[in-house]
Amino acid sequence: EAGVTQSPTHLIKTRGQQATLRCSPISGHTSVYWYQQALGLGLQFLLWYDEGEERNRGNFPPRFSGRQFPNYSSELNVNALELEDSALYLCASSFMGFRNQPQHFGDGTRLSIL
Amino acid sequence: TQLLEQSPQFLSIQEGENLTVYCNSSSVFSSLQWYRQEPGEGPVLLVTVVTGGEVKKLKRLTFQFGDARKDSSLHITAAQPGDTGLYLCAGVRAGSYQLTFGKGTKLSVIP
Repeated sequence: EAGVTQSPTHLIKTRGQQATLRCSPISGHTSVYWYQQALGLGLQFLLWYDEGEERNRGNFPPRFSGRQFPNYSSELNVNALELEDSALYLCASSFMGFRNQPQHFGDGTRLSIL
Repeated sequence: TQLLEQSPQFLSIQEGENLTVYCNSSSVFSSLQWYRQEPGEGPVLLVTVVTGGEVKKLKRLTFQFGDARKDSSLHITAAQPGDTGLYLCAGVRAGSYQLTFGKGTKLSVIP
């Protein structure tokens, strides 16, 4: 069974540009989560999607947005990129409705802002 | 303020030694999970604990959930170089679906 897949692996952008990151969950998982892992800050929760709806978002500005498609894959969009957006962006998936179900992670997209 | 505090932040030990890392909070969690993350990869789930006082063993790794469900520990016996990595604890607070992570313990096991 394929795990969570993310693309691209690396992405280099300049300040002010827009970035789109993609995630395909494990087959059968309906929930997709996005996290930012920046140096020294640990994993910070960004967004949670389930059944095509945004269920919760972390303490990030509105220029971080996303969506979930009918096949449960997801996109994270970051507008007006800033230097501090440089980080590893991780996607995870799980079954919805089971609070203690574990989240399974992809290997992330490394976003570098020049 | 970090909801989950992990200690120590860094740990470097010799192969064969034992170690314990801690994950503490003032909040009650319905479950706690431990992940290991290696450079260039995403976190990989090691264990989920859900019952206060629960102890789970995974080969040389022993995980314990505190009686009050506010803290957890990970004990590694006879550490090996393959145990090297970033160990992350993450918890779901009672009444929430959101997973909150600690900053992690970076473990280096020297051959």
